[in-house]
Amino acid sequence: DAKTTQPTSMDCAEGRAANLPCNHSTISGNEYVYWYRQIHSQGPQYIIHGLKNNETNEMASLIITEDRKSSTLILPHATLRDTAVYYCIVNAGGTSYGKLTFGQGTILTVHP
Amino acid sequence: DGGITQSPKYLFRKEGQNVTLSCEQNLNHDAMYWYRQDPGQGLRLIYYSQIVNDFQKGDIAEGYSVSREKKESFPLTVTSAQKNPTAFYLCASSIQKGAYGYTFGSGTRLTVV
Repeated sequence: DAKTTQPTSMDCAEGRAANLPCNHSTISGNEYVYWYRQIHSQGPQYIIHGLKNNETNEMASLIITEDRKSSTLILPHATLRDTAVYYCIVNAGGTSYGKLTFGQGTILTVHP
Repeated sequence: DGGITQSPKYLFRKEGQNVTLSCEQNLNHDAMYWYRQDPGQGLRLIYYSQIVNDFQKGDIAEGYSVSREKKESFPLTVTSAQKNPTAFYLCASSIQKGAYGYTFGSGTRLTVV
């Protein structure tokens, strides 16, 4: 699986957009980008995934650059409940067995 | 509701004792996984199973054992051979193929004294 690089921590004001970057310069053509988040002492929660195109769901938007070497997770209106560790993961889950590898992620703190 | 159940949420054991952590899912997922998480760290894969009666070692399998006798169940045994067993253990399941990600349980915090 391709390795990902994320900032260790980020801050965001409540109500503002939170933009979490992820670098995955060695990503292969068949690998997807997944985002999960983990609230303290709970299991990680799936947020969104994508291959090439930008994706949006009720939780977030995922912007993938044209060369696919980086992506950004956008929480459009962050709330205090969005404070969590956010993991960016690259994996060929679309066509093969999905064994995900979680790094240390980005600690996002949303403050009032 | 469908989901993954891990029990118990907190577990205390004396050093040298084996302990088994339970993981049950009713999502009809083929694959199941066990991860370990230490404070301030990411998740590390212990074991995973794609089908019943088959499982593979992950990155840190030493000192652990698993079984997959039923599709719904994937118990993890932490043996006395595991040098640092105190940790947060997470179980997950997924559709075997398809980019739909994992569903995680709420975890078991094991403390060995």
